[in-house]
Amino acid sequence: EVQLVESGGGLVQPGQSLRLSCTGSGFTFGDYAMNWVRQAPGKGLEWVGIIRKKIHGGTIEYAASVKGRFTISRDDSKSIAYLQMNSLKSDDTAVYYCSGIMSAGRFDPWGQGSLVTVSS
Amino acid sequence: QSALTQPASVSGSPGQSITISCTGTSSDVGGYNFVSWYQQYPGKAPKVIIYEVSNRPSGVSIRFSGSKSGNTASLTISGLQAEDEANYYCSSYTRSTTYVFGTGTEVTVL
Repeated sequence: EVQLVESGGGLVQPGQSLRLSCTGSGFTFGDYAMNWVRQAPGKGLEWVGIIRKKIHGGTIEYAASVKGRFTISRDDSKSIAYLQMNSLKSDDTAVYYCSGIMSAGRFDPWGQGSLVTVSS
Repeated sequence: QSALTQPASVSGSPGQSITISCTGTSSDVGGYNFVSWYQQYPGKAPKVIIYEVSNRPSGVSIRFSGSKSGNTASLTISGLQAEDEANYYCSSYTRSTTYVFGTGTEVTVL
C-alpha cells in the first residue's frame, strides 16, 4: 500500500523550532518530488515548498511566507522527507501535509497530516 | 504568488451539473498544463481527482471532468451526488518553478 505518514507535530511557543518528518512506504521514494502543504484551521490549502528528486538536481523551492525560516530536506535511503521550521509564528499554526509528485504537478500520494500549533 | 481565485461556494441539486472555475494568470494557469484538482472532506487529506488539466486518475468517477481556457481552468461535476459534497481546490505549476493552490470551493448538494 502506498503511504505517507507525517510525524513530529505538536504545540510550540512563538519563536521556537519544530521538525516534521514524512515517511514513505509502498513506493520508490526517490522517484518522487516531495512537497509540504499546510492548511490553517478553517482555511484553504497553502503550498509550503518542494524538494525535487535527485535526478532533477534535488532543488528546493519555498513559498515566500516561509522562505528563510523553513528548510526542506530528504533522505532517500530512509524514505523520509523533513520540514525544519524555525522562528515559528502564530500564523504558522496549521495541519501540515506532505505529498509526493511523480510528474505533471499531480500531488499524489498525501499523508494524513500533522497538526502544528504555535501559541504561548 | 497569490492564490488562484475560486468561487467560495457552489451548489446544485442531485443529478445536476456544476462547474467550478479557477482563475490565475499567464504565469501559472495560462502558461502551463500542470493544473490539478483536489477533493477534500472535512478532517481528511486532499485527494487528486484531475491532473494535467483534464486527466482522471484511475478510480476517479467519470462524472469529474476538467478543462482550461486562457488563464481559467474549470472542474465540472456531472450527475451531482450527495457524496460530492466536499471542498475542492485547484493547483497550478508557476513560472517561478513553484506551485500555487486555489482559494477553495465548498460544494453543497441541495
